[in-house]
Amino acid sequence: DTGVSQNPRHKITKRGQNVTFRCDPISEHNRLYWYRQTLGQGPEFLTYFQNEAQLEKSRLLSDRFSAERPKGSFSTLEIQRTEQGDSAMYLCASSLGSSPLHFGNGTRLTVT
Amino acid sequence: GDSVTQMEGPVTLSEEAFLTINCTYTATGYPSLFWYVQYPGEGLQLLLKATKADDKGSNKGFEATYRKETTSFHLEKGSVQVSDSAVYFCALSDRDGGATNKLIFGTGTLLAVQP
Repeated sequence: DTGVSQNPRHKITKRGQNVTFRCDPISEHNRLYWYRQTLGQGPEFLTYFQNEAQLEKSRLLSDRFSAERPKGSFSTLEIQRTEQGDSAMYLCASSLGSSPLHFGNGTRLTVT
Repeated sequence: GDSVTQMEGPVTLSEEAFLTINCTYTATGYPSLFWYVQYPGEGLQLLLKATKADDKGSNKGFEATYRKETTSFHLEKGSVQVSDSAVYFCALSDRDGGATNKLIFGTGTLLAVQP
């Protein structure tokens, strides 16, 4: 079990730029989740995949955000035309069916 | 919608003190309940869980009992250590059976244990 891996750990970008984050889940896990965590708050659900299918998206996920999991393995989260309000920690988690979620260490995004 | 409320921190204790972090929930169904811990610079880790009423989850000396009548899942530890200093998150999820199993988190409680 190598754990959930997220890259990069930190990303600093200027407002208006596009950014992409990657998540590699635990290899046998079929479910993959993206969360966003701002300072002093708990993680908030963004979206969820079962294998390659994106089955649920939060209303927090504006049309500037898109997530993919093309082969049911790794996933990418892209934010277009970043805004300062997008600054947060973006967390990825995976699970096998209904087993508890395993989280990565997150990607911290700072939009200047 | 479903939600989790936990006591605000920070909670500051001396080593070997008794710890309670309160957590209550609102849910339409019969959720599973979790405590996750986030140590400085690390990702969220599952601490313990309970899947039905009156279940007790336990791990590393921490315990929490699923109380349906009071919709609570309070975290307790009899004797805290400096190494327990972290942020603790209470969370709930829908039962599986077609549901996403996504987690809904509280805002987190920072615990600082002093030697």
